[in-house]
Amino acid sequence: KQEVTQIPAALSVPEGENLVLNCSFTDSAIYNLQWFRQDPGKGLTSLLLIQSSQREQTSGRLNASLDKSSGRSTLYIAASQPGDSATYLCAVDQGGSEKLVFGKGTKLTVNP
Amino acid sequence: GAVVSQHPSWVICKSGTSVKIECRSLDFQATTMFWYRQFPKQSLMLMATSNEGSKATYEQGVEKDKFLINHASLTLSTLTVTSAHPEDSSFYICSASQRERSYEQYFGPGTRLTVT
Repeated sequence: KQEVTQIPAALSVPEGENLVLNCSFTDSAIYNLQWFRQDPGKGLTSLLLIQSSQREQTSGRLNASLDKSSGRSTLYIAASQPGDSATYLCAVDQGGSEKLVFGKGTKLTVNP
Repeated sequence: GAVVSQHPSWVICKSGTSVKIECRSLDFQATTMFWYRQFPKQSLMLMATSNEGSKATYEQGVEKDKFLINHASLTLSTLTVTSAHPEDSSFYICSASQRERSYEQYFGPGTRLTVT
């Protein structure tokens, strides 16, 4: 059974700092991996999707990497801003099933 | 593109009543729709997967008679919580995917259900 773990559970940083969020998964047979952002009481906003054949994806200040063989992904946020404060969720799509298995998320607070 | 809406955004109902939540893909036809629930400070747990015109596939431990899913068209899926109880209070989120979009899932804004 696939399990997704995110570390740390919470992170507080000063504005402008670069930071890394970690995600690990137990079964490397994945179709893709997605990073999402969730604001309190809101739905999910997709940030980056990495196909299993890819090693990284970039969007603006965000960079996500995937090491499928070791079951790890990182989300790098450069020059963090208070508006980046949210919970970041990692999810893996099991090969062929379209079912997403989510981690519990990392709650990020960027202090002005 | 790839916008998914949910209605209502929040609902309060009395114990024993039924509540229907709608999920719509606004600008694409969804091959598959998914329903998740999220308890406070917990992650999303998949409840069921539905394809247009066919019965939903429920995850282990999810009561199909309690959580009725109807995928009436390629742009609409509904989740009905029957005989709701306070323990059904949760945040329900749907998502939709499309084969032509590499099956990436697009999420709705969620529905907060409170059962009193």
